Amino acid sequence: EIVMTQSPATLSVSPGERATLSCRASQTVNSNLAWYQQKPGQAPRLLIYRASTRATGIPARFSGSGSGTEFTLTISSLQSEDFAFYYCQQYNNWPTFTFGQGTKLEIK
Amino acid sequence: EVQLVESGGGLVQPGGSLRLSCAASGFTFSNYAMSWVRQAPGKGLEWVSAISGSGGSTYYADSVKGRFTISRDNSKNTLYMQMDSLRAEDTAVYYCAKFYDGSGYCRGAFDIWGQGTMVTVSS
Repeated sequence: EIVMTQSPATLSVSPGERATLSCRASQTVNSNLAWYQQKPGQAPRLLIYRASTRATGIPARFSGSGSGTEFTLTISSLQSEDFAFYYCQQYNNWPTFTFGQGTKLEIK
Repeated sequence: EVQLVESGGGLVQPGGSLRLSCAASGFTFSNYAMSWVRQAPGKGLEWVSAISGSGGSTYYADSVKGRFTISRDNSKNTLYMQMDSLRAEDTAVYYCAKFYDGSGYCRGAFDIWGQGTMVTVSS
């Protein structure tokens, strides 16, 4: 099983600043990686797939990068609605899928 | 509007059974593989099971293999999960999710999620 490890567990950032979230895979997943945003009481929402492609309707302030085992989600100029949990997910090893444990992005 | 609506959750005793449903609308259901993902209270996301667009291929996480059965009725645009021999550790919100890949294969990210249905396993 491919293990996905996210860091940090909690990230405190001020509105208007940049946030950088990391995700590491225990073995290569090529570019088969997605990022999701989840707010309390809501379902996850797809932000990024194929490591760097924004999903439909996702603002340009969200960007993804990386390949192989190291990935980054960057949110430039944080808005109040961006404070949430973020999960990465690998789908290289389909038809089994694994998620990272999540990063909580909180207001500083 | 593309939409997934789950139902069927509830309180069940350990060893009991439950059947979840997920009604899909707004897209050609049979063209897309579907999946179930769960989230225990205060925890992260865990992939549970997936089924191809035709229903001919099914896949399970080791944690539920032999106890859960995924199925679909393309004539009713509905996804199901039969959950047997339930354990306390199965307590979670269960989400159905659509693969964004329109090939019908179980690959890719999940672009549409339902609102979830809560399953509580407790005596």
